[in-house]
Amino acid sequence: EVQLVESGGGLVQPGGSLRLTCEASGFTFTSYSMTWVRQAPGKGLEWISYVSITSSMIYYADSVKGRFTASRDNAKNSLYLQMNSLRVEDTAIYYCARREGDSGVCFDFWGQGILVTVSS
Amino acid sequence: EIVLTQSPATLSLSPGERATFSCRASQSVRNYLAWFQQRPGQAPRLLIYDASNRATGIPARFSGSGSGTDFTLTISSLEPEDFAVYYCQQRSAWPLTFGGGTKVEIK
Repeated sequence: EVQLVESGGGLVQPGGSLRLTCEASGFTFTSYSMTWVRQAPGKGLEWISYVSITSSMIYYADSVKGRFTASRDNAKNSLYLQMNSLRVEDTAIYYCARREGDSGVCFDFWGQGILVTVSS
Repeated sequence: EIVLTQSPATLSLSPGERATFSCRASQSVRNYLAWFQQRPGQAPRLLIYDASNRATGIPARFSGSGSGTDFTLTISSLEPEDFAVYYCQQRSAWPLTFGGGTKVEIK
């Protein structure tokens, strides 16, 4: 059974940091690139980061560039998102989702999401 | 950035009716357009990829069409579980972008 399980969310003050983890199981992790997508409360979906299979390509949305760092560890079947200098507007549910190969069909499977709340 | 505009924002229909959603891209995305369904409190689910291909396990009542800048998602006969929010998404160019969503509510 394919599973993506996010962890590491919670409440943090503005300017603080959090590290999200997405653990994958039930499929060949090294056949998929990985992405982070977030959803602010009551709002739509926003892609924020992409990591290719070998981590040779990592892309970010402008809204998080310079503050967030995505990475993966293929030996641990895990994807990470280091979030620094957090802002109130970063409050959202963060989903990890897989993508076929490095450039194939996007988001064919999603994790259940993890809530990040940035508030003083 | 490719902007995806979905219409209408809300669709009020009854079970058994046909639902049609539109997604318009600000520039051509070729056929690299996907559709997702999101039920309340759940993660999105891939329905259609590359404009017209149903994802694994998606019922035949869901169909997609279009290419270039204009795309359509059709649900031939609404089931109770289809009342949800639907998003389109393009993978033609970075950054990957989503439309704003269409909510299908029970009339």
